[in-house]
Amino acid sequence: GENVEQHPSTLSVQEGDSAVIKCTYSDSASNYFPWYKQELGKRPQLIIDIRSNVGEKKDQRIAVTLNKTAKHFSLHITETQPEDSAVYFCAARSDNYGQNFVFGPGTRLSVLP
Amino acid sequence: EPEVTQTPSHQVTQMGQEVILRCVPISNHLYFYWYRQILGQKVEFLVSFYNNEISEKSEIFDDQFSVERPDGSNFTLKIRSTKLEDSAMYFCASSLLAGGSTDTQYFGPGTRLTVL
Repeated sequence: GENVEQHPSTLSVQEGDSAVIKCTYSDSASNYFPWYKQELGKRPQLIIDIRSNVGEKKDQRIAVTLNKTAKHFSLHITETQPEDSAVYFCAARSDNYGQNFVFGPGTRLSVLP
Repeated sequence: EPEVTQTPSHQVTQMGQEVILRCVPISNHLYFYWYRQILGQKVEFLVSFYNNEISEKSEIFDDQFSVERPDGSNFTLKIRSTKLEDSAMYFCASSLLAGGSTDTQYFGPGTRLTVL
């Protein structure tokens, strides 16, 4: 089945710096890649997603890039703020495995003031 | 903005007891999901549900688990005989459709299940 890896597991950055989280997936038929932000004790919130027919998508300070050939996608957060501190999960969905998402293990991002 | 809701927020039960976790998906959504997250670990897929039947299920979703849409708004997960290892946060999610641009899944706030 699909396997999603995510790096790093923890990331600390100074406020105002950029943060990059990378994920790789195994199933070349995966075609949808959402990113979720989960604050402590709260629900995962979709922050951005990308489909396999585009290579990059941006929404204000957040961007996602996709390299289908290498089977990896990355989350980029610029001008980080303390409220960006959370656990970020990437996920992949493949037509081979229906509608369920396979999540990465998560990255704990800490933005230091 | 409509949201997925779940009840209860926290459920404590004794090992071997049955529990029912409840979810109200977003009203016009057609696909429903259950995920679980053991403390400190990643979110894991359990089951998806469409048109009053299970679409997919994972290896975790064994005979102890069942899902139901008892009416037009609720979506439930039943664990027949709980085990200690069932302790986790259980998230319900829903999506408008599957595939294309409408398959974004929206998560509920979760039910924390503690099995003693």
